[in-house]
Amino acid sequence: GAVVSQHPSRVICKSGTSVKIECRSLDFQATTMFWYRQFPKQSLMLMATSNEGSKATYEQGVEKDKFLINHASLTLSTLTVTSAHPEDSSFYICSAAEDYTEAFFGQGTRLTVV
Amino acid sequence: SQQGEEDPQALSIQEGENATMNCSYKTSINNLQWYRQNSGRGLVHLILIRSNEREKHSGRLRVTLDTSKKSSSLLITASRAADTASYFCATDAVSYGKLTFGQGTILTVHP
Repeated sequence: GAVVSQHPSRVICKSGTSVKIECRSLDFQATTMFWYRQFPKQSLMLMATSNEGSKATYEQGVEKDKFLINHASLTLSTLTVTSAHPEDSSFYICSAAEDYTEAFFGQGTRLTVV
Repeated sequence: SQQGEEDPQALSIQEGENATMNCSYKTSINNLQWYRQNSGRGLVHLILIRSNEREKHSGRLRVTLDTSKKSSSLLITASRAADTASYFCATDAVSYGKLTFGQGTILTVHP
């Protein structure tokens, strides 16, 4: 399968700061990328869908001003958690798909806000 | 909101036994996928079954899909301690790639 690289794998930040997470498709062009969040012992919840060159579509209840998503190229999407708070601590995972085919997942990022 | 429900929520078995996990969903789908997640790690894609398929095999895995009942099952035969993980079903209803995950089943295989 195709390779999706997510960076960093773990990050600890102070409350009030912003954190950027990168999701890269290494061997294909990702026209669509998806961002999910997973709280401990829970399932994955879709946060937003991003298409290259256009604004992301956020799921209901996800604050677009807090979770900034940029999909500026066909191989890179970024998720920025702005003014992070301890309740934002979670496992964030991206997936990428080429032309509405099967999506491939990154390794995930464990965010801890202290 | 989550579309899928999985049962059981937790399953504990001995090595060598079979493990069966079930998944139900609410809307029509294009395909259904099963993933494994080891504690604190990323997702491992196990198998994809399309809406026009009823059964699929991959090694020790067997997946069935009943679109009339909106349900799927994952069978792991001859389980191993290394199969210990959380297992999630995920449905793709709107477009390929946008997935809705079930609640997951925590499988523990005792050596």
